[in-house]
Amino acid sequence: NAGVTQTPKFRILKIGQSMTLQCTQDMNHNYMYWYRQDPGMGLKLIYYSVGAGITDKGEVPNGYNVSRSTTEDFPLRLELAAPSQTSVYFCASRGTTNNEQFFGPGTRLTVL
Amino acid sequence: AQSVAQPEDQVNVAEGNPLTVKCTYSVSGNPYLFWYVQYPNRGLQFLLKYITGDNLVKGSYGFEAEFNKSQTSFHLKKPSALVSDSALYFCAVRDINDMRFGAGTRLTVKP
Repeated sequence: NAGVTQTPKFRILKIGQSMTLQCTQDMNHNYMYWYRQDPGMGLKLIYYSVGAGITDKGEVPNGYNVSRSTTEDFPLRLELAAPSQTSVYFCASRGTTNNEQFFGPGTRLTVL
Repeated sequence: AQSVAQPEDQVNVAEGNPLTVKCTYSVSGNPYLFWYVQYPNRGLQFLLKYITGDNLVKGSYGFEAEFNKSQTSFHLKKPSALVSDSALYFCAVRDINDMRFGAGTRLTVKP
């Protein structure tokens, strides 16, 4: 199993550009999550999904959108990038019976 | 809502000494508690969890954690620290559908 994979690893955007951060898991997990981690800070939940076709907002959803058309994929969309979205983004998943989350390696995004 | 707090931003210990990274929790109902470790430029890795049962939970890399209901704490411990244990440690509590993380504690183990 590859676990949770994220692409790209790094990206630099200009203000106003858009992009999609990809996240895929091969563990057949129902639950998937997007977090952002700012320097010296903990993780803040952006969006989460409890299954294909179902998404919900977390603590900091503004400026982001998600979709969950399949169990495996949970892309995060930034429509109009702003400097405040400079961060490291982590995707995670967990199964219905497992309680722990499994994390991807992260995407480091810089908006200039 | 469920929450956890990590009162120390930084913990420094000498190699070979015991280490403790502190975590307190605030929950309604029974807590599901977790510890994760993050090495530089990596994602979070699961260390251990407490769901029910023994108050002393053993996890990966020789770490253990003690659940204390009266003190609402879930401190992470290791009897003998290694330089390679230096990393960022997060305590977390499961909420209904997601996880709430503490702000993290940076552990530095000096040779």
